[in-house]
Amino acid sequence: GEDVEQSLFLSVREGDSSVINCTYTDSSSTYLYWYKQEPGAGLQLLTYIFSNMDMKQDQRLTVLLNKKDKHLSLRIADTQTGDSAIYFCAESDNAGNMLTFGGGTRLMVKP
Amino acid sequence: GAVVSQHPSWVICKSGTSVKIECRSLDFQATTMFWYRQFPKQSLMLMATSNEGSKATYEQGVEKDKFLINHASLTLSTLTVTSAHPEDSSFYICSARDLVGSLYEQYFGPGTRLTVT
Repeated sequence: GEDVEQSLFLSVREGDSSVINCTYTDSSSTYLYWYKQEPGAGLQLLTYIFSNMDMKQDQRLTVLLNKKDKHLSLRIADTQTGDSAIYFCAESDNAGNMLTFGGGTRLMVKP
Repeated sequence: GAVVSQHPSWVICKSGTSVKIECRSLDFQATTMFWYRQFPKQSLMLMATSNEGSKATYEQGVEKDKFLINHASLTLSTLTVTSAHPEDSSFYICSARDLVGSLYEQYFGPGTRLTVT
């Protein structure tokens, strides 16, 4: 079955850039997503990318997709303490159905 | 943006009782809603896909007689945990897909924390 993997933890200093990485195995993935989850809360969609794109930028967020290596990354520029949360990558098929989530990366931003 | 609510936000129940969790799309109609389960410090696992007016589709390993899902309207889906046991304690999150929106976007509710004593 599909498998999505992420590193568990990332610590950065306020103002630095954060890069969260994700690998997936399903070559038929059509949409790839990044979600943010703050403690005790649901998931907030940050951004998504179609599998035929290499890069997408949205304000402080940059998503890079290497389809050949099945590698997805999320770069957060000028990381703030409010960015501290768990970040999940996820992938879905072309119908946008079932999302397969990675295990989540806990980002800690130190002042 | 689209808003999805869940009720209750947390619930404590005794072993053997049943608990109903509601998921509502507040400002849009959702033909499809999804139910996820999240254990502490773990990722979300899809439990079932719920389509309005039809039976839910359960993922492998999820007991449909234990986790009853009803999607009676375009704005409401319910998950009932029947005869709950301590191992059912978890964070349950629903998501909804807009009827006229993009297929790729699901809107998530804030989650319901269930504790079974």
